[in-house]
Amino acid sequence: DVKVTQSSRYLVKRTGEKVFLECVQDMDHENMFWYRQDPGLGLRLIYFSYDVKMKEKGDIPEGYSVSREKKERFSLILESASTNQTSMYLCASSLVVQGNTGELFFGEGSRLTVL
Amino acid sequence: GNSVTQMEGPVTLSEEAFLTINCTYTATGYPSLFWYVQYPGEGLQLLLKATKADDKGSNKGFEATYRKETTSFHLEKGSVQVSDSAVYFCALSRNTGGFKTIFGAGTRLFVKA
Repeated sequence: DVKVTQSSRYLVKRTGEKVFLECVQDMDHENMFWYRQDPGLGLRLIYFSYDVKMKEKGDIPEGYSVSREKKERFSLILESASTNQTSMYLCASSLVVQGNTGELFFGEGSRLTVL
Repeated sequence: GNSVTQMEGPVTLSEEAFLTINCTYTATGYPSLFWYVQYPGEGLQLLLKATKADDKGSNKGFEATYRKETTSFHLEKGSVQVSDSAVYFCALSRNTGGFKTIFGAGTRLFVKA
């Protein structure tokens, strides 16, 4: 069964701390994504990656960075956490094959609270 | 640009009632359309999809038809159950050198016994 695993389900951090959110997929997918989910706003794309060591900004990249050193792992980094980054963070992956429609496979989410 | 608009919730229904959640989209070209569902405490999972005009996606009693003329992809179920209580997201995806998915804001459904 396909699986996307996010390392932490719940985190509480203080303003100014550096935060790492880890995501691992076991499906050999090329594409990986980080979204944040906020009530009334749906899911907004932070960063995505089409390949190892490759990254592209999504719609709301400010205050975030990412790392993809291995195909199966995609990390989201908050260099200096702020209270407005309190949110649910969702990692997803998808396969790149001809005819693929871009279906996403999601992890269970990481709920981050910044105090 | 591309966007997805879905009806605001929450939607509260009694068990066995008929469900419709409206979704309209704006996109250039020919996107694929999806409904994802998020059960409490979980991530999103694909419920159904349609890849071209007039396609009907279906799963677990839910259906949605890709209507290009009205740019809509409304979700329907004839008889909801308490276990259908969840948040439902309409989404579109286009291959622009790599897929990017645009989501609607989500509609929370409560089903009462």
